[in-house]
Formats: sequence, structure tokens, C-alpha cells
Amino acid sequence: DGGITQSPKYLFRKEGQNVTLSCEQNLNHDAMYWYRQDPGQGLRLIYYSQIVNDFQKGDIAEGYSVSREKKESFPLTVTSAQKNPTAFYLCASSQGLAGSYEQYFGPGTRLTVT
Amino acid sequence: AQSVTQPDIHITVSEGASLELRCNYSYGATPYLFWYVQSPGQGLQLLLKYFSGDTLVQGIKGFEAEFKRSQSSFNLRKPSVHWSDAAEYFCAVGANNAGNMLTFGGGTRLMVKP
Repeated sequence: DGGITQSPKYLFRKEGQNVTLSCEQNLNHDAMYWYRQDPGQGLRLIYYSQIVNDFQKGDIAEGYSVSREKKESFPLTVTSAQKNPTAFYLCASSQGLAGSYEQYFGPGTRLTVT
Repeated sequence: AQSVTQPDIHITVSEGASLELRCNYSYGATPYLFWYVQSPGQGLQLLLKYFSGDTLVQGIKGFEAEFKRSQSSFNLRKPSVHWSDAAEYFCAVGANNAGNMLTFGGGTRLMVKP
């Protein structure tokens, strides 16, 4: 059954700690994305990757880092430099530049930092 | 750059009533248009998409949307709403000059009265 998995569903951290959110897809998609969603707001793009070993900053990349060492995986690290890390984080994937535009989303990870 | 506006932040309809959610986009050429639905605490699910051809597109769960170039709109409709349709709905636009990136509207939260 193809899809995108994000783990864990809920994550709690103390302020000042880095935390890594997992995103895995078995759709054979080239492109992957990380979005942040705050209550009552739409989706804001953090980072995206069109191909393995390459990624680009989105609109709100400050305080975040990513890696794309494998096609299936695109982990997001929320660093201590991120001023307001508490949010709902969504990972998505799409076929990529040569394919269809629609993005498929994972179930999300809710991060709470206190 | 393309942009998307969903003018209605909240909409309440009675179960069995018809529904129309508004979406306006800004883009010079023909955009790629999408509607997604998000249940609380979940990821986004693709309802329908428009790339070209017939301007009335059918989606899952009994939803449809109509692309109107003259009005720069892509409104989502359903003839009879069910209580399970209560969720947040996002319109998104993609464009040839933006790679395979999508721009999302701010979302419309739908509440269904019994």
C-alpha cells in the first residue's frame, strides 16, 4: 500500500533541544516537501527537494535543516534556533519536475516545545 | 508569482444543503488547480484537480469544481452535504513557471449543522 509515513504523530521537546521529524515515502516520487501549519493558517513551505542530494529553502527555512540522502526519505530537523517551533508539520511528495503536479501528504507530526 | 485567495474563513451549512466554497487565483496563464480536504489533526487529501480540458471536474466524495477563466475562480461544490464533510478545505495552484511547487490558500473551515 503506497503512501507517506510521518513519525511520530506527537512529539514533545524542551526548549533548546534539536528534534528530527521523519518522513518516508514508497511512491517512487522524486520530489518531497516540508510544510508548517499553524492554527487557522494555511500551509507554509519550509524546504523542498526535487531530487536526491539536492534541496532548496522555502518561505520559512530559518531554524530548520533537512537532508535528502535517499529518494524515500526527507527528514526535517527543527533546531534550537527556530523561535516558535510548536506547530503541525506536514510532509508531502510529488512525481517531480517531469511528472504530475499533485502533492500527496503524510498524516503530519504535531510538535510541542515547552 | 501565483497566489490563491479563499475569501471565506468559516462556513456553516445544514446537513443535506448544497455547498459552494470559493477559490480565486492570480496567474497569467492557465494554472493547475487543486482542492484538498483536511480533517482535524490529519494530513491533506486530494479531492480533485484541473489541468486542462473540461472545465467541470469531478472528484471524490461527491465533490466537483468548475474552472472559470474569466473570473479566475475554481469553486468547489457539493449538492448535498453530509456531517462527515465537516473539515478544512484548501485550494491550491501550480504553474509552469514555478516548477512543481504549489501555492495554497488560507483554507475554509466547514461546519455542518444537524
